[in-house]
Amino acid sequence: DIQMTQSPSSLSASVGDRVTITCRASQVIRNDLGWYQQKPGKAPKRLIYAASSLQTGVPSRFSGSGSGTEFTLTISSLQPEDFATYYCLQQYSYPVTFGGGTKVEI
Amino acid sequence: EVRLVESGGGLVQPGGSLTLSCAASGFTFSAFWMTWVRQAPGKGLEWVANINEDGSDKYCVDSVKGRFTISRDNGKNSLYLQMNSVRAEDTAVYYCARRTGLEYWGQGALVTVSS
Repeated sequence: DIQMTQSPSSLSASVGDRVTITCRASQVIRNDLGWYQQKPGKAPKRLIYAASSLQTGVPSRFSGSGSGTEFTLTISSLQPEDFATYYCLQQYSYPVTFGGGTKVEI
Repeated sequence: EVRLVESGGGLVQPGGSLTLSCAASGFTFSAFWMTWVRQAPGKGLEWVANINEDGSDKYCVDSVKGRFTISRDNGKNSLYLQMNSVRAEDTAVYYCARRTGLEYWGQGALVTVSS
């Protein structure tokens, strides 16, 4: 199974900060990676697919990069509505696996 | 508008069975892979199973193999998860999602396994 190691597990930030979250895959997954945002009590929402493609309707302050085994999600200027938990997902091979999540707090 | 609505959750005793349903609308259901994902209380997300467009190809996580079965009825635009021999560790919110890439999600259905 491919392990997805996400870091940090939590972070504190302020409105306007630049935030970077990293996901490392235990083996090469090309660019078969997505990023998801989940707010408490809600279903997750996809932000990024294919490592760097922005989901329709997602603000441009979100961006993804990386390929192979190292991936990052960047929020260029944190907004109040961005405080949430973020997950990466690899779909390169079965079983599909998630990272452990990063909780972004004030 | 893509819409996915799960139903069938509830309380079930250990060793019991439950079937979750996911009603899809707003897109051509038969043209997409579909997926089940779960989230135990206070925990992260776990991929459970997915199924191809015509139901002929299925994959699932090892922890549910032999106990859970994913299926679909394209005539009814519905996805199912038959859960047998459930355990306490199957307690979770279960989400259905479109595609392996999980581009759209339902609101989730809570399954509680307890005596």
